[in-house]
Amino acid sequence: DAKTTQPNSMESNEEEPVHLPCNHSTISGTDYIHWYRQLPSQGPEYVIHGLTSNVNNRMASLAIAEDRKSSTLILHRATLRDAAVYYCILSAGAGSYQLTFGKGTKLSVIP
Amino acid sequence: SQTIHQWPATLVQPVGSPLSLECTVEGTSNPNLYWYRQAAGRGLQLLFYSVGIGQISSEVPQNLSASRPQDRQFILSSKKLLLSDSGFYLCAWRRTGLSPGNTIYFGEGSWLTVV
Repeated sequence: DAKTTQPNSMESNEEEPVHLPCNHSTISGTDYIHWYRQLPSQGPEYVIHGLTSNVNNRMASLAIAEDRKSSTLILHRATLRDAAVYYCILSAGAGSYQLTFGKGTKLSVIP
Repeated sequence: SQTIHQWPATLVQPVGSPLSLECTVEGTSNPNLYWYRQAAGRGLQLLFYSVGIGQISSEVPQNLSASRPQDRQFILSSKKLLLSDSGFYLCAWRRTGLSPGNTIYFGEGSWLTVV
């Protein structure tokens, strides 16, 4: 499976935008980019996913580089409830059932 | 709508005792099922996944085993627990089919402390 690289931790002030980067230089053409987040003592929850085009939903936006070797999760206005570990993962192409999570980025939101 | 439940939520077990964690999914059929473990302060480690009844794939050789006796039931077991088995165990499911865009949904998690 292609791997992803994320910073271990990031900080943001409340109500400011947050850009969480992810590098995936070995991504294949059929890999989807998924983002999940994990609040303390809870299972991860889905945030957003995309293939080539930028994506928006009520939680966040996903900006995918043109060469697809990196992506950025954008939280438009960070709240205290957004403090969590954010995972960027690749869903391998047809024939693979695995979803492998790395260590993610721990986001701290400062009031 | 689909739901996933796992239990027990918390358990404390002595070293050498057996383990059984159970997970069930409702509202879907033939899901892909997963067991993950998260040690304190660590990332998620995929332990087992299953694409159908009786079909189990192990990702990491260890003291644990998994079984899928029914379509929407996934069980994680151990005959003799080790201290290193302590952690946060998560069951998850994903729609069947080979679309890599399918989202994975996690249960509430089970905290296991081996003493």
